[in-house]
Amino acid sequence: AQKITQTQPGMFVQEKEAVTLDCTYDTSDQSYGLFWYKQPSSGEMIFLIYQGSYDEQNATEGRYSLNFQKARKSANLVISASQLGDSAMYFCAMREPLSTGNQFYFGTGTSLTVIP
Amino acid sequence: GAGVSQTPSNKVTEKGKYVELRCDPISGHTALYWYRQSLGQGPEFLIYFQGTGAADDSGLPNDRFFAVRPEGSVSTLKIQRTERGDSAVYLCASSTGSPGNTIYFGEGSWLTVV
Repeated sequence: AQKITQTQPGMFVQEKEAVTLDCTYDTSDQSYGLFWYKQPSSGEMIFLIYQGSYDEQNATEGRYSLNFQKARKSANLVISASQLGDSAMYFCAMREPLSTGNQFYFGTGTSLTVIP
Repeated sequence: GAGVSQTPSNKVTEKGKYVELRCDPISGHTALYWYRQSLGQGPEFLIYFQGTGAADDSGLPNDRFFAVRPEGSVSTLKIQRTERGDSAVYLCASSTGSPGNTIYFGEGSWLTVV
């Protein structure tokens, strides 16, 4: 079974609007971490935001927030006030168990295009 | 620089040749990872080093792939008898330890086997 599922291959958003990128995960561990990365056309994977499974509040980093719904095993990324520079691939990832897990499991990504 | 550095950034090689890809992690990071990313896919785990030793090499696809990190810093991914299917971006990452042992990636080495 896929550890990370991203069901939106491509998304479009109007500049200055908010957009939600979906991510669901599969784990039996109680301790895990969820991450979002941005990959522009240059290829570098840029870390955006992290959510621990025991964190009670949703993580926020500037215009990025993570809508963490533990019971539904979802960790959606919300980008507010989209900018043209946000156009890129976005990957959701999980590390499990958090303290000793060696691997980060990545989804297949969502391509976001911001329209002027 | 302060980030993960990978060389070469691009490599074109003929089928059957030997290739080495180098990774210089962020200073002080003891954990180092190699991932492979094919077109349209997310990164796939290859190998993880903690210090000098390969703590987990379960992602290496076959015995043509090997990686070393002799002094616990720079790592080299070695691919023998390259095949066209090895064409991909090879990403290196290193870990800071927190938060959640976030891993930070380099810009990758684009390998094309012709």
